[in-house]
Amino acid sequence: QVQLVESGGGLVKPGGSLRLSCVASGFTFSDYYMSWIRQAPGKGLEWVSYISGSGDIIYYADSVEGRFTISRGNAKNSLYLEVNSLRAEDTAVYYCARLSRGYYDFDYWGQGTLVTVSS
Amino acid sequence: EIVLTQSPGTLSLSPGERATLSCRASQSVSSNYLAWYQQKPGQAPRLLIYGASSRAAGIPDRFSGSGSGTDFTLTISRLEPEDFAVYYCQQYGGSPPVTFGPGTKVDIK
Repeated sequence: QVQLVESGGGLVKPGGSLRLSCVASGFTFSDYYMSWIRQAPGKGLEWVSYISGSGDIIYYADSVEGRFTISRGNAKNSLYLEVNSLRAEDTAVYYCARLSRGYYDFDYWGQGTLVTVSS
Repeated sequence: EIVLTQSPGTLSLSPGERATLSCRASQSVSSNYLAWYQQKPGQAPRLLIYGASSRAAGIPDRFSGSGSGTDFTLTISRLEPEDFAVYYCQQYGGSPPVTFGPGTKVDIK
C-alpha cells in the first residue's frame, strides 16, 4: 500500500533553515509528480511546490519562491524541501502528497511534519 | 490565479440529512482538474472526488460530485456521524498551477 512519511520539522528561529524529507513506498516513485502542501494552525490548505517524476519540472507558490527548494532522490524514494529564510508565517504542518496521473489531484498524503518559526 | 470560493463557510446539519457544498472558481476550470477532500481534526486530508465527479477508491457512494466551468458541487446524500469534517475543493491549472478553496466545515446541528 502507498505510504508517505515526512520528517525534519521542528522549532526554528526567524531567518533559519530546515530540510524536510518524505520517504515514499508502495508505488514506483519516479513515475509520479510529488508535492508539498502546508497548513497553518487552524487555517486551510496552501499548495507550496511540486516536482515532476524526473525532477525537470518544478513550480513554487509565490509565497515561497526564492526561499524554498524542492528536490527528489528517486534512488532513495525520497522527496525533499529545503526551507530557508523562514518567517513566522511559514509556521505550519507540511504535508508530502502524490499527484495522481492525468487528474492532478493529490491522491495520497503523508501525516505531516510541523514547522514552527519562533524566536 | 484561479481563486476558489467555497460556500457556505459552515454548514450545520443533523445525521441523515443531505449536505450540499459549493465551490466556485474565478475562471473556468477543466472538469478533469477539480477535486474534493475531506479533513478531520489532527488528520491529513483525504481525496474524495477527482475529475469533478469520480469517487476515489474506497469512498462511499453517498458522496457525489458534479459541475463544470466555474461552478462545482459536492453532495453528501445522507450524513453519517463520521462525515462531520472540513471539506476543501482544489483545482489544477493556470498560474500558480494549484489552488485550494478555503473550506466548508460541516458540523453537527
